[in-house]
Amino acid sequence: DARVTQTPRHKVTEMGQEVTMRCQPILGHNTVFWYRQTMMQGLELLAYFRNRAPLDDSGMPKDRFSAEMPDATLATLKIQPSEPRDSAVYFCASGPGQSPSEQFFGPGTRLTVL
Amino acid sequence: GNSVTQMEGPVTLSEEAFLTINCTYTATGYPSLFWYVQYPGEGLQLLLKATKADDKGSNKGFEATYRKETTSFHLEKGSVQVSDSAVYFCALDSSNTGKLIFGQGTTLQVKP
Repeated sequence: DARVTQTPRHKVTEMGQEVTMRCQPILGHNTVFWYRQTMMQGLELLAYFRNRAPLDDSGMPKDRFSAEMPDATLATLKIQPSEPRDSAVYFCASGPGQSPSEQFFGPGTRLTVL
Repeated sequence: GNSVTQMEGPVTLSEEAFLTINCTYTATGYPSLFWYVQYPGEGLQLLLKATKADDKGSNKGFEATYRKETTSFHLEKGSVQVSDSAVYFCALDSSNTGKLIFGQGTTLQVKP
């Protein structure tokens, strides 16, 4: 049963610290998405990749967030420095090239910045 | 710009009741439409989709019909179960890039 995996599942950190979240997309999926979910803002698209190339990261605060795909099996989202307002659940999703909207979501990383 | 509007929640129903969750959209062209479901503590899962006008998507007893004339994609189920309790998201993709625009989500609570 193919699944998107994310690590860590929970992260508590102090303001100013660096946070790295990792995602393993489903093998064979060539589109990867990063979302952030909060009660106030709902679900926001931060960035997405096709064939490991970034296509759109306009939803991401550029000064502190960065997203990369070092290889086809790993996507990373980094926040440096972290701030309390970054507290949220971060989801990674992957989709097949022919139907990128049929996305498979990981379980999420719940981030708390104190 | 493109947008999706869902009815406010929470929606509270008794088991075996009929469910409707309203969804309307604004988009240029002919978007594809989706319903995703999020169970507590999990990521979203695709529930059903429709890619052109008058298409009906269906899965697990849920249905939604793509109505271009009313720009709507309402979710229905004839008899809900406690296990259907979740948050339901309507979404559209106007460019087939995977860049989904989600509604704000509607929480469904089904009581035994």
